[in-house]
Amino acid sequence: ILNVEQSPQSLHVQEGDSTNFTCSFPSSNFYALHWYRWETAKSPEALFVMTLNGDEKKKGRISATLNTKEGYSYLYIKGSQPEDSATYLCALGENNNDMRFGAGTRLTVKP
Amino acid sequence: DGGITQSPKYLFRKEGQNVTLSCEQNLNHDAMYWYRQDPGQGLRLIYYSQIVNDFQKGDIAEGYSVSREKKESFPLTVTSAQKNPTAFYLCASRPGGALNSPLHFGNGTRLTVT
Repeated sequence: ILNVEQSPQSLHVQEGDSTNFTCSFPSSNFYALHWYRWETAKSPEALFVMTLNGDEKKKGRISATLNTKEGYSYLYIKGSQPEDSATYLCALGENNNDMRFGAGTRLTVKP
Repeated sequence: DGGITQSPKYLFRKEGQNVTLSCEQNLNHDAMYWYRQDPGQGLRLIYYSQIVNDFQKGDIAEGYSVSREKKESFPLTVTSAQKNPTAFYLCASRPGGALNSPLHFGNGTRLTVT
């Protein structure tokens, strides 16, 4: 994997469903993995920054895991609510002080 | 409240004209960044600055220029040399340049060049 890839590109779920999406990245030169939530008409907001293999972070109903050896991170949302509708971005921080963003997963939660 | 302000929200220009996008932050952050978003693509880094009076090119710097004369301000000029300037531009900052600290973003400027 040369780029940061996110899947799926978009996702529609019903209110109350739990969901998850994936961020895949090249595991060489890993420094940090960021997750951001980007709601329409707002600026992206940081959810998590993870640096260690096996890291798990949680904020309310949202959690994330990190596997730096195989180059992936999962974002989980438990009991999705309409206000969770947003684009979720992941970004890889590399040793050369650059960050590479994925194209995002657009989540729509239907009431 | 501290934050990042980008202005204007929408900008329209004729082809061949230079245009400057404003980015101001009152977070006392050392590092500032400019990203560009195109449909279906991730944010791509144009320029970044770790400290006043210093900046580095990102992945897609051609056709752009920046300045960092003050800590709070990091304006981006889209020159006529930029072949495809119509896009959404995001400014961001963070304390120091440490990759383990999250970026703080502005609300963006949508530039349309015709």
